[in-house]
Amino acid sequence: QKEVEQDPGPLSVPEGAIVSLNCTYSNSAFQYFMWYRQYSRKGPELLMYTYSSGNKEDGRFTAQVDKSSKYISLFIRDSQPSDSATYLCAMGVGDYKLSFGAGTTVTVRA
Amino acid sequence: DTAVSQTPKYLVTQMGNDKSIKCEQNLGHDTMYWYKQDSKKFLKIMFSYNNKELIINETVPNRFSPKSPDKAHLNLHINSLELGDSAVYFCASSLALAGEETQYFGPGTRLLVL
Repeated sequence: QKEVEQDPGPLSVPEGAIVSLNCTYSNSAFQYFMWYRQYSRKGPELLMYTYSSGNKEDGRFTAQVDKSSKYISLFIRDSQPSDSATYLCAMGVGDYKLSFGAGTTVTVRA
Repeated sequence: DTAVSQTPKYLVTQMGNDKSIKCEQNLGHDTMYWYKQDSKKFLKIMFSYNNKELIINETVPNRFSPKSPDKAHLNLHINSLELGDSAVYFCASSLALAGEETQYFGPGTRLLVL
């Protein structure tokens, strides 16, 4: 079993819809949680970073962490075609190694 | 101005060959990484260097040898290439060694071994 599980999708939604992405993990020691966005043929770029359970909002993006359930989510409101990308969750535990999920490919249809 | 750059962008080669991928960052970061992303988009760390010193060496075959001539450069040399080495290789850097530091990724090198 992988340390971080993420449904690879693909996920296709109409423009304006809410996109919901999830990851589960098995290592209860993970302390910080990140979401990276990767456009086609590009490197990943950091989108959101959270350090504790709860919600964090940044514009149309909301990251949610539930440490008791070992579950994290990313919500994208009012999705745009420019949000079409692969979204990777990543997490770590105080050292210098991130564990990544497999990535979910999202397509927002105009 | 590109923050993390990699060369070449594409590499097509025969099994058994030796090849190198170069990475440079102009962010003034202390820590650099090599990742491998397979066809299913799964991103897995291979190596991490901090101030030119090897910190992380995951269970990577010793055909893969990283070299960091200075803090701004981390190269990856691969000997005796195998079909299973076909993947996208990403270089990344972060300000410091701490795991929660944002990692900045290069554009990737697409390696195809025939």
